[in-house]
Amino acid sequence: EADIYQTPRYLVIGTGKKITLECSQTMGHDKMYWYQQDPGMELHLIHYSYGVNSTEKGDLSSESTVSRIRTEHFPLTLESARPSHTSQYLCASSEVGGHTQYFGPGTRLTVL
Amino acid sequence: SQQGEEDPQALSIQEGENATMNCSYKTSINNLQWYRQNSGRGLVHLILIRSNEREKHSGRLRVTLDTSKKSSSLLITASRAADTASYFCATDRNFGNEKLTFGTGTRLTIIP
Repeated sequence: EADIYQTPRYLVIGTGKKITLECSQTMGHDKMYWYQQDPGMELHLIHYSYGVNSTEKGDLSSESTVSRIRTEHFPLTLESARPSHTSQYLCASSEVGGHTQYFGPGTRLTVL
Repeated sequence: SQQGEEDPQALSIQEGENATMNCSYKTSINNLQWYRQNSGRGLVHLILIRSNEREKHSGRLRVTLDTSKKSSSLLITASRAADTASYFCATDRNFGNEKLTFGTGTRLTIIP
C-alpha cells in the first residue's frame, strides 16, 4: 500500500457548499496530481503540482482550485459545489523523474 | 478521443484461464504503464514498459509493446478471483514531463 491518504472517503453535500478534499503523502514526493473519475470511466487529470508553490491546471477543465504550501499536502477546494461535480476524486504522487504514480483510495463526492 | 483505449471494455473468464487485454494509443510515448483498480479504490501500479522494449514479465503478468502499431497488451496467466478489477493503461507523452494519460479501462471479472 502506498503512503498516500485522502479524506474524507465519502462525502454527500448540498448544492452551493464549499468543500475541501484532503490529500497527504508521507513519501516525500515532489509531484502530486488530482484526477477526476466517473464510475467505470477513464481518469482525467484536473490539477498537478511539481513542488511547493507550484500548481498547474490539467487536461480537464475544472472549477476546483488547489494549493501546495507543504510538500506532503495537496488539498483540492470547490468554492460552490454543484451536482455536476459528483464524481470520484483521486490523488496521486510521484518522485521527480519517476514514472510510477502512487494513488490514494479516493474521495467519492455526491452533490445533491 | 482518448490517448489510450482499452479493448475489450469488459471481459469475463473462468478462474485459471488466461486474460488478455489490449491498449491502443495515438501519439509517440516514452513508456507505457498498466495499473489495476479494485472497485471504488485508487489505482495500483503493475508494470512499466519503455518505448525501446518489446516485452516484459512480472510474476503472472506479461506486457508487450508494439510502437509501430501504437499498441500494448497485458496478459494475466492462471487468473485468480483476486484479479477481478479494472485495468488501465497509461502513457506519458512528453520527455521529462511525467503527466500520464489513462485509457478507458478493461473491466475483468474472474468467475470462480
